[in-house]
Amino acid sequence: EDQVTQSPEALRLQEGESSSLNCSYTVSGLRGLFWYRQDPGKGPEFLFTLYSAGEEKEKERLKATLTKKESFLHITAPKPEDSATYLCAVQSADRGSTLGRLYFGRGTQLTVWP
Amino acid sequence: ETGVTQSPTHLIKTRGQQVTLRCSSQSGHNTVSWYQQALGQGPQFIFQYYREEENGRGNFPPRFSGLQFPNYSSELNVNALELDDSALYLCASSLRGPDTQYFGPGTRLTVL
Repeated sequence: EDQVTQSPEALRLQEGESSSLNCSYTVSGLRGLFWYRQDPGKGPEFLFTLYSAGEEKEKERLKATLTKKESFLHITAPKPEDSATYLCAVQSADRGSTLGRLYFGRGTQLTVWP
Repeated sequence: ETGVTQSPTHLIKTRGQQVTLRCSSQSGHNTVSWYQQALGQGPQFIFQYYREEENGRGNFPPRFSGLQFPNYSSELNVNALELDDSALYLCASSLRGPDTQYFGPGTRLTVL
């Protein structure tokens, strides 16, 4: 069974205090790894897709990296508006898996206080 | 370009009733996937529709069923509602199955 584990479950940062969120995965052939941001009671908002080990992508204060077993979401100098739950999901290239099906972790709840 | 929309926003039902949730996919997207997200959990895959056919299913019972229409919009139907069906139901569309999925705002279903 494909699995995605995110840590920590919750993270509190002071504004400007940089940190990283972790997503470890076990999947039968990785087709893609996705990061989403989710605000309370709303649908996930797409942030990044990573396809191969060594790949990196950046958007404003966020940077996502990928290795063969895990991904990191680095947050540089966060602001209160970065407070949200960050979800990691993987797509499997296994022929027995529905093409495009996302397997999600439980998320990291990030709170940035002024 | 219009994003993914879902209706209704909130819904309250009682145990044993039936419910239909609706989703309009993003323009140009022909694949729709449905997910259930319980409080404090990550979304769980229910099923996927591609060109009006079910293209894969997660570990959900047959009382969860769906449809996709020629315009690629979709419905999720749940029969014989149970208390554990209370959750946020998310619809996501993609250009093709393995492409990036874009989510709608969700429908919050409460079963009493």
